[in-house]
Amino acid sequence: DIVMTQSPDSLAVSLGERATINCKSSQSVLYSSNSYNYLAWYQQKPGQPPKVLIYWASTRASGVPDRFSGSGSGTDFTLTISSLQAEDVAVYYCQQYYATPYTFGQGTKLEIK
Amino acid sequence: QVQLQESGPGLVKPSQTLSLTCTVSGGSISSGSYYWSWIRQPAGKGLEWIGRIYSSGNTNYNPSLKSRVTMSVDTSKNQFSLNLSSVTAADTAVYYCARDSRSGSHDYWGQGNLVTVSS
Repeated sequence: DIVMTQSPDSLAVSLGERATINCKSSQSVLYSSNSYNYLAWYQQKPGQPPKVLIYWASTRASGVPDRFSGSGSGTDFTLTISSLQAEDVAVYYCQQYYATPYTFGQGTKLEIK
Repeated sequence: QVQLQESGPGLVKPSQTLSLTCTVSGGSISSGSYYWSWIRQPAGKGLEWIGRIYSSGNTNYNPSLKSRVTMSVDTSKNQFSLNLSSVTAADTAVYYCARDSRSGSHDYWGQGNLVTVSS
């Protein structure tokens, strides 16, 4: 299985400041034939299912504010929230869908400082 | 707008079989070349992918659960189902059904069904 490791486990950021979450995979999730990274980011608020924010490592899902951005390739990825809003308080997960079983990171809890 | 809704018992006894159904609305389960996944989340913990099924019945299961998991699809009812046998307290979790988008990420999710394993 591909192991996904996120850092940090929790993060407190002031409103309007930048938040950065990292995700590392135990093997590359870059598919050489199409140059796509099979990596997604999800946001989960209490009592709700996860919501996809980013797929292909850097493509924002429909309706996702542009303050959310994804970057990285191969085994190292980053989710950045450029200017934290109160509604961004949530747990964030990365997931690889390069190979089954699909696997998620352990989650990063984002709070307001 | 595609919507998914899980249904099934909220309480299952140890050693019995957990059975859940996901009903898809707003689109046909057999069109669009989508896979349909089950994912679970114990209280306060992270997400675990259980497996997925295609409308043809083709499946992929997580090896950690493969010996106990069976998935099926009923295209006439626009539903897909999960059976997990020989459950223990470790199987207590919120179970989600989700659609795998063409990119592979899960773009639509059900609200989740809490299943508690207890006698």
